Amino acid sequence: DQQVKQNSPSLSVQEGRISILNCDYTNSMFDYFLWYKKYPAEGPTFLISISSIKDKNEDGRFTVFLNKSAKHLSLHIVPSQPGDSAVYFCAVDKTGTASKLTFGTGTRLQVTL
Amino acid sequence: NAGVMQNPRHLVRRRGQEARLRCSPMKGHSHVYWYRQLPEEGLKFMVYLQKENIIDESGMPKERFSAEFPKEGPSILRIQQVVRGDSAAYFCASSSEQGWSGTDTQYFGPGTRLTVL
Repeated sequence: DQQVKQNSPSLSVQEGRISILNCDYTNSMFDYFLWYKKYPAEGPTFLISISSIKDKNEDGRFTVFLNKSAKHLSLHIVPSQPGDSAVYFCAVDKTGTASKLTFGTGTRLQVTL
Repeated sequence: NAGVMQNPRHLVRRRGQEARLRCSPMKGHSHVYWYRQLPEEGLKFMVYLQKENIIDESGMPKERFSAEFPKEGPSILRIQQVVRGDSAAYFCASSSEQGWSGTDTQYFGPGTRLTVL
């Protein structure tokens, strides 16, 4: 069962523009949401997170938005840079115990010059 | 401050052999998690361990797979009698404590890519 969905397998954005990556989830009881970035042949790197009591969290060029009524999560990267080219995974903590993350299938972001 | 270490980075096994994957968590971390990523898929949780204890193994296949995190030494993910379907990237993550606080989260190692011939 696909409880966390990233429906866009790939996204291409011009350098300097905004990148918007989307994630949908099925269970309104999910408590904590995270975004990870992954380069080829490396492990995922934590980017930013948000708890269910908030609707926005910002860290530098990265902002995560949470729309609980729509069960939708998005990551905004502004401005996009070539080094942002990677696969981005959203993940949820289903149990609220930070012990088991459920990942989406990822979106490959390509930032072009 | 070394990150999460995994070895080997690449492992090739023939069907029926055993695979042993090692994970050394970040210094000061006592919680270890194993995930598996099949081609074109997201990471799937396998098991969560603390020192000498398996806390949650709900994602582990019922047979052939086992994990341990001894008092001394790295965490080991062991796959017996490997089959072609075991070919995947296996990632280990660690955290300093359970529960989300501040910037604490799970930090991932570079992964071990297992190929079963």
